[in-house]
Amino acid sequence: DQQVKQNSPSLSVQEGRISILNCDYTNSMFDYFLWYKKYPAEGPTFLISISSIKDKNEDGRFTVFLNKSAKHLSLHIVPSQPGDSAVYFCAASRGTYKYIFGTGTRLKVLA
Amino acid sequence: GAGVSQTPSNKVTEKGKYVELRCDPISGHTALYWYRQSLGQGPEFLIYFQGTGAADDSGLPNDRFFAVRPEGSVSTLKIQRTERGDSAVYLCASSRGAGNEQYFGPGTRLTVT
Repeated sequence: DQQVKQNSPSLSVQEGRISILNCDYTNSMFDYFLWYKKYPAEGPTFLISISSIKDKNEDGRFTVFLNKSAKHLSLHIVPSQPGDSAVYFCAASRGTYKYIFGTGTRLKVLA
Repeated sequence: GAGVSQTPSNKVTEKGKYVELRCDPISGHTALYWYRQSLGQGPEFLIYFQGTGAADDSGLPNDRFFAVRPEGSVSTLKIQRTERGDSAVYLCASSRGAGNEQYFGPGTRLTVT
């Protein structure tokens, strides 16, 4: 049973436009959410996180939105850059260490 | 400073053989994690160490899998009697403590033929 779902396996966006990556979860007990970025042949790199007491967290070009009632979070990247092309994983945890990852969305930013 | 390192980067072994995968965490990180990522999937939690002890090994798929961290730094994931279904990328991560973001290594790609 997939507790964290990323329903879009891929996304293409023009450079300079907004990229929106979506993630849904089923377990209402999750209280901490994260986004990781992964380049080929590298491990996932932490990008941004949000706790369940917030609905938005922003870090430079990256903003994560959390909608607890819909059990949905999204990552907004604006403006998108070619270097943002990677696979993005969302993850959730109940407590602080056991991350449950989605299957990833491959973002391609077109120059 | 240096990130999480994992060796080997690639390992090919025959079905039934024993393998060891090594993880060197970031210096000073007390928490260490192992994940497994199969093709087309996200990383799947295997085990969490706080210091030398395995605080949570609920993700280990069966008793062929075992991990140690004898001195609270380097960790070794051991797989006995490997099966083709064990083929995956094995990721190690570390963090300052359980409540902090996890930093991942590049992974070891294990292929069981």
